[in-house]
Amino acid sequence: AQTVTQSQPEMSVQEAETVTLSCTYDTSESDYYLFWYKQPPSRQMILVIRQEAYKQQNATENRFSVNFQKAAKSFSLKISDSQLGDAAMYFCAYRRSGAGSYQLTFGKGTKLSVIP
Amino acid sequence: DSGVTQTPKHLITATGQRVTLRCSPRSGDLSVYWYQQSLDQGLQFLIQYYNGEERAKGNILERFSAQQFPDLHSELNLSSLELGDSALYFCASSPLSGTQYFGPGTRLLVL
Repeated sequence: AQTVTQSQPEMSVQEAETVTLSCTYDTSESDYYLFWYKQPPSRQMILVIRQEAYKQQNATENRFSVNFQKAAKSFSLKISDSQLGDAAMYFCAYRRSGAGSYQLTFGKGTKLSVIP
Repeated sequence: DSGVTQTPKHLITATGQRVTLRCSPRSGDLSVYWYQQSLDQGLQFLIQYYNGEERAKGNILERFSAQQFPDLHSELNLSSLELGDSALYFCASSPLSGTQYFGPGTRLLVL
């Protein structure tokens, strides 16, 4: 079974600084997808970024970028120019590719605080 | 706004009761997923439906059931409720193999 591990339960960053959240995963599949979701205090789950395993190029969405290391099974999220609105729980998630179920397997989350 | 709607937003009920949570997927999405988020278990996949048919089951209790209707909305039925069923229940939708977008969730409190 696939597992996703987020080893940092909590992190903090100064406003306007850069922070990196870590995620590792375990799978025997060669093709899959990885995601970062943000859950602010409203509890809504918001997609931040998505990475296809077959793509070597790291995904980027504005101030959010990932460092995808397939061999190491590592998928970290970098937030640049941190803003107060970035304060939230961040969940790393894995989804297999191919036929069958496309359920997400989530890590336990990292709580990010942004210090003004 | 993800385009996925869930009702009700909050639900308070007593042990032993039965409740129904409702989800309407984004326009055009045929897949619906249900997830449970609790403090001790984290975010767990419960069940997936695709175009009216059950596609996959996760850690769903036998007291829980779901269905997807011809108009693609889905309902999650929770029966014989226990204190431990208190959680946030999310519905997500996607095209068959696409990214999942989540609804705002239903917060269930069992007293």
